[in-house]
Amino acid sequence: GDSVTQMEGPVTLSEEAFLTINCTYTATGYPSLFWYVQYPGEGLQLLLKATKADDKGSNKGFEATYRKETTSFHLEKGSVQVSDSAVYFCALRGYTGNQFYFGTGTSLTVIP
Amino acid sequence: DSGVTQTPKHLITATGQRVTLRCSPRSGDLSVYWYQQSLDQGLQFLIQYYNGEERAKGNILERFSAQQFPDLHSELNLSSLELGDSALYFCASSVERTGTDTQYFGPGTRLTVL
Repeated sequence: GDSVTQMEGPVTLSEEAFLTINCTYTATGYPSLFWYVQYPGEGLQLLLKATKADDKGSNKGFEATYRKETTSFHLEKGSVQVSDSAVYFCALRGYTGNQFYFGTGTSLTVIP
Repeated sequence: DSGVTQTPKHLITATGQRVTLRCSPRSGDLSVYWYQQSLDQGLQFLIQYYNGEERAKGNILERFSAQQFPDLHSELNLSSLELGDSALYFCASSVERTGTDTQYFGPGTRLTVL
């Protein structure tokens, strides 16, 4: 079945460091891919998405490219800030229906 | 503030009991999604309703049921509760039925089963 595998955390970075959080998926057909962010005590917020191969989603300095050849959707940011500290979830919407699958989440802490 | 409201914020109950969680979607949103977030299972999709009809079903137990009412609010009913049902339950809403548009999440209901 469809699934998402996400890089284990927690991740601790210094401010202005480069961030990569790896996400790979298994799916039939052409799923849609998402990154969500969850700040402490809050619900999830959509960070970015890509609905077809080679699409690049971007928002707030974060980027991820839908790579069908490597079945990946890695999240990157060139220079993280303390305010980026949160848990990041990679997610997939199955092609054959509205099934949603989430990774286990990666906790990011950015220190000044 | 996402515009999605969930009540109650916290719920503490005993095993074997039944509870109802309520969700009001953003104004204009026709789709409602329910998710369960627990430490051991992570975030799991339970069910989606679109304009009153069930649209998609995920890992929802038979002891759980949901519905969406004509005013588009939704309720998730959990019965014969077990300790393992303790979790954070999120509701999300979106405009479309496809699931590829942006889902807006509520703050969640934390359920504790003792």
